[in-house]
Amino acid sequence: ETGVTQSPTHLIKTRGQQVTLRCSSQSGHNTVSWYQQALGQGPQFIFQYYREEENGRGNFPPRFSGLQFPNYSSELNVNALELDDSALYLCASSLGTGNMDIQYFGAGTRLSVL
Amino acid sequence: QQQVKQSPQSLIVQKGGISIINCAYENTAFDYFPWYQQFPGKGPALLIAIRPDVSEKKEGRFTISFNKSAKQFSLHIMDSQPGDSATYFCAASRGSNYQLIWGAGTKLIIKP
Repeated sequence: ETGVTQSPTHLIKTRGQQVTLRCSSQSGHNTVSWYQQALGQGPQFIFQYYREEENGRGNFPPRFSGLQFPNYSSELNVNALELDDSALYLCASSLGTGNMDIQYFGAGTRLSVL
Repeated sequence: QQQVKQSPQSLIVQKGGISIINCAYENTAFDYFPWYQQFPGKGPALLIAIRPDVSEKKEGRFTISFNKSAKQFSLHIMDSQPGDSATYFCAASRGSNYQLIWGAGTKLIIKP
């Protein structure tokens, strides 16, 4: 196990609703990255948080937002849910922000939008 | 230019055989190429990674071969075991940029 925990494991929402996903990073890690993994696809980078600040963002609309807390845990919020938001959402924590900093992934939250 | 193309989509190999998964990229600025392994119900886990200053890296039964001129890299799993059955992803990033660009994945099944 990686020590990265995500909650909830599964979630069902309807179109237009809002959702909050949570991630507890591995002990000592100050960086959290969020990814969206559609069925049969590789993960797509959403954004990264480093010491409570957004440190970069992928090609996702503003209705995808996040937070990182002083204990380095993190939330991903998605507003105005669309059917295409149905996916596995992965959180990864790392010691730093560089590409050599190994990212340890949680098991993900499976979001279904009906 | 940001894409990483991975093949095959699925692969069946007999126990003890060699599994080979290939990836190709376009962006010559990429300089970090990891492979991730994902089991059902789990997040991806880093398996092995390479930088373009070497043409091959080996860790146990896992080897990455890198061809800079062809902009291709591949994962070889020697003496494949049923426990290797998983989905494998290649990825790439550039410089200190943490944003990994991922391939679409290869579902590997090792038949006993």
